Amino acid sequence: IAGITQAPTSQILAAGRRMTLRCTQDMRHNAMYWYRQDLGLGLRLIHYSNTAGTTGKGEVPDGYSVSRANTDDFPLTLASAVPSQTSVYFCASSDSGAAGPLPSGYGYTFGSGTRLTVV
Amino acid sequence: QKEVEQDPGPLSVPEGAIVSLNCTYSNSAFQYFMWYRQYSRKGPELLMYTYSSGNKEDGRFTAQVDKSSKYISLFIRDSQPSDSATYLCAMSPVRGGSYIPTFGRGTSLIVHP
Repeated sequence: IAGITQAPTSQILAAGRRMTLRCTQDMRHNAMYWYRQDLGLGLRLIHYSNTAGTTGKGEVPDGYSVSRANTDDFPLTLASAVPSQTSVYFCASSDSGAAGPLPSGYGYTFGSGTRLTVV
Repeated sequence: QKEVEQDPGPLSVPEGAIVSLNCTYSNSAFQYFMWYRQYSRKGPELLMYTYSSGNKEDGRFTAQVDKSSKYISLFIRDSQPSDSATYLCAMSPVRGGSYIPTFGRGTSLIVHP
């Protein structure tokens, strides 16, 4: 089934530890994104990548890093986790990352999320 | 003031009711408007999208855009308990810069039998 796979589904992490959230898509979408979703704050963009080899900062990038070595994978790393990074993390992809007319399949495909608790 | 405002609810309605979900926005550059549905403990999924002003209908769902008022709506007819979810609006400009949409915070909808 085409879509986005996120791993792990959930994780409890000790503060100060390093953690990588994995995201893989099989739709050959050029653009990928990481969001965090917190109650009352909605979805907030952490980092994005319009195409393999490029990345950009979103609204809340501090404490997070990403890489985009190929089209399919977009891991998110927390170098030294803090309790304020407790959240639900969603990876998403789209084929509308470049300027120009939007294709018929416009819109984001989201993964099922990773629930991260930092204690 | 956030670029996109959306009442978080919850909005509770009886089965069969007509539901109206709304968002307001301040950025006149927004041209594409989307509605996502998010079930509990799942990722959002695209429900509908519209370009510029006007209406778009898909089954029991109608998306409406009023650019003059900077106001968009999603109507659900004959609502069902399976429609219970959080509905997020999202918007983005057409050209120039990124297509990364700006999301509303979501409205929680509960349809009770």
